[in-house]
Amino acid sequence: SQTIHQWPATLVQPVGSPLSLECTVEGTSNPNLYWYRQAAGRGLQLLFYSVGIGQISSEVPQNLSASRPQDRQFILSSKKLLLSDSGFYLCAWWRDSGYTFGSGTRLTVV
Amino acid sequence: GQNIDQPTEMTATEGAIVQINCTYQTSGFNGLFWYQQHAGEAPTFLSYNVLDGLEEKGRFSSFLSRSKGYSYLLLKELQMKDSASYLCAVRGGGTYKYIFGTGTRLKVLA
Repeated sequence: SQTIHQWPATLVQPVGSPLSLECTVEGTSNPNLYWYRQAAGRGLQLLFYSVGIGQISSEVPQNLSASRPQDRQFILSSKKLLLSDSGFYLCAWWRDSGYTFGSGTRLTVV
Repeated sequence: GQNIDQPTEMTATEGAIVQINCTYQTSGFNGLFWYQQHAGEAPTFLSYNVLDGLEEKGRFSSFLSRSKGYSYLLLKELQMKDSASYLCAVRGGGTYKYIFGTGTRLKVLA
């Protein structure tokens, strides 16, 4: 079966610390993968998308980065977190019928 | 520019019918999607319209008019579990990206 996994579910990190969120997809090959952020009371903001290994498109200038080291793996990183990086991070996989989202990571930067 | 508008909040009574509107302005059009998002959870797919008209799926229906840049989501026989945010999203022409509205928070009252 085709599934998408995202972890961790929640994360509390101090300002200035690094970040690594991981997303993996199973049961498919060459998926189009996305990272979104949803700040409190706001809509989904596209951060990065990837159409293949090593191919990353960045939508918004920020202190975040993304990598696609393997076909089914998409990683969101930061070297130094800011308070404004707090939010709900969602990995998504584009399929013909729309997005399938991972379960999300609630990040609180303190 | 590209923009999606939907009401911020709506309230309805259990057993009633509610219509959530969405208007959009995008460069190109490759489909409109509705997602349901319960508090603290990831969005889940509800419906997809690419041609004008009404798509019915059980208690939920979605309508699209491409010439008017307009869609609505119709929820019938409302249940308490329908209390959630409803996100309208449009896929622009020739892109892998969606634009999401900020969502409509629906409260269903007993």
